[in-house]
Amino acid sequence: DTGVSQNPRHKITKRGQNVTFRCDPISEHNRLYWYRQTLGQGPEFLTYFQNEAQLEKSRLLSDRFSAERPKGSFSTLEIQRTEQGDSAMYLCASSRGQGILQVQDGYTFGSGTRLTVV
Amino acid sequence: GQQLNQSPQSMFIQEGEDVSMNCTSSSIFNTWLWYKQDPGEGPVLLIALYKAGELTSNGRLTAQFGITRKDSFLNISASIPSDVGIYFCAGRSFGNEKLTFGTGTRLTIIP
Repeated sequence: DTGVSQNPRHKITKRGQNVTFRCDPISEHNRLYWYRQTLGQGPEFLTYFQNEAQLEKSRLLSDRFSAERPKGSFSTLEIQRTEQGDSAMYLCASSRGQGILQVQDGYTFGSGTRLTVV
Repeated sequence: GQQLNQSPQSMFIQEGEDVSMNCTSSSIFNTWLWYKQDPGEGPVLLIALYKAGELTSNGRLTAQFGITRKDSFLNISASIPSDVGIYFCAGRSFGNEKLTFGTGTRLTIIP
């Protein structure tokens, strides 16, 4: 296992279309996170899963966004009715955790999916 | 969303120079992380800090967890061309899974 894998790397879509991104975390990591990064900014938290349970969602995650992690392994992030403001890099990360404790290995990020809405 | 204050915003240095950057927060964190991001890639973890006052090194990189828990510092010694990129700090509070990132420091090495 070489790290967190995200597909596709780039996506160009027309406004109003739906898009779906996939993230495959490091296999032994039980926690998975989605972040969004716009140009010139740091990543911003969207949501995270512990195994298959979605435990926290940011207010940035409007009702057009939905994330799933059905079997506690890979995750998908879907954006419905895309808007130009959704153009950004969508980053996935994973980590190991036990309860409120974080195993001391930080987060590992994938290379991201860059979405451009035209 | 909230972003931590990171300074400087950009740095232009010559190869071989030392670099210092810092990050401040209005709230307390129990974990500070430093990442480097190359264009078109995701952030890569450089150093993780878990205790106030902790000083940790990773090769030419040294980072410190501020005593107040509201700041952190990253130093790079003897910079080389591959150090070019954007450096982000990130903080996490106890019991909270999300990371709050800084605004980034862009490092450029002048030939």
